[in-house]
Amino acid sequence: GNSVTQMEGPVTLSEEAFLTINCTYTATGYPSLFWYVQYPGEGLQLLLKATKADDKGSNKGFEATYRKETTSFHLEKGSVQVSDSAVYFCALSEDGGFKTIFGAGTRLFVKA
Amino acid sequence: DVKVTQSSRYLVKRTGEKVFLECVQDMDHENMFWYRQDPGLGLRLIYFSYDVKMKEKGDIPEGYSVSREKKERFSLILESASTNQTSMYLCASSLAGVWNQPQHFGDGTRLSIL
Repeated sequence: GNSVTQMEGPVTLSEEAFLTINCTYTATGYPSLFWYVQYPGEGLQLLLKATKADDKGSNKGFEATYRKETTSFHLEKGSVQVSDSAVYFCALSEDGGFKTIFGAGTRLFVKA
Repeated sequence: DVKVTQSSRYLVKRTGEKVFLECVQDMDHENMFWYRQDPGLGLRLIYFSYDVKMKEKGDIPEGYSVSREKKERFSLILESASTNQTSMYLCASSLAGVWNQPQHFGDGTRLSIL
């Protein structure tokens, strides 16, 4: 079945460092891909999405490109801030359906 | 703005009790979901509903049931709580009809079963 695999955390960076969180997926159709973020004490909220191959989703300085050839959707940010400390979830929405499959989450700590 | 509200942020119950977790959304969404979140396991789908009075089992429905009597409200029921149901529970909703819609989440209920 469809699945999402993301790098294990925690990831610890200093402020202004470059961030990459790897995400790969397995899907039989043409899923939409998402990154969600969960700040401490809160639920998940959508960070960005991409709906077809080569699409780039972006929001708040974060970017991710839908790579069908490598079945990847890696999250990147050029310069992280302390306020980016959170858990990040990669997810896919099954083609034609409404269920979402989530990765295990990657916790990011950013030090001042 | 979109709002999914879960009735309790923290809840402590005893083994064997019947537990109700409530979720309300104000976005007129057709789809609603219940997940549990455990460290290292991410989110696992318990049940979902795509219409009033409709429900479908997710990946881990055992020990749970749900109720959706009104479009805006989706309740999760632990019939006889057990310690292995101690977890964070997240409710979400999404719009039907467009397949790539994101889900909107509540802030979660941290449930402890003693």
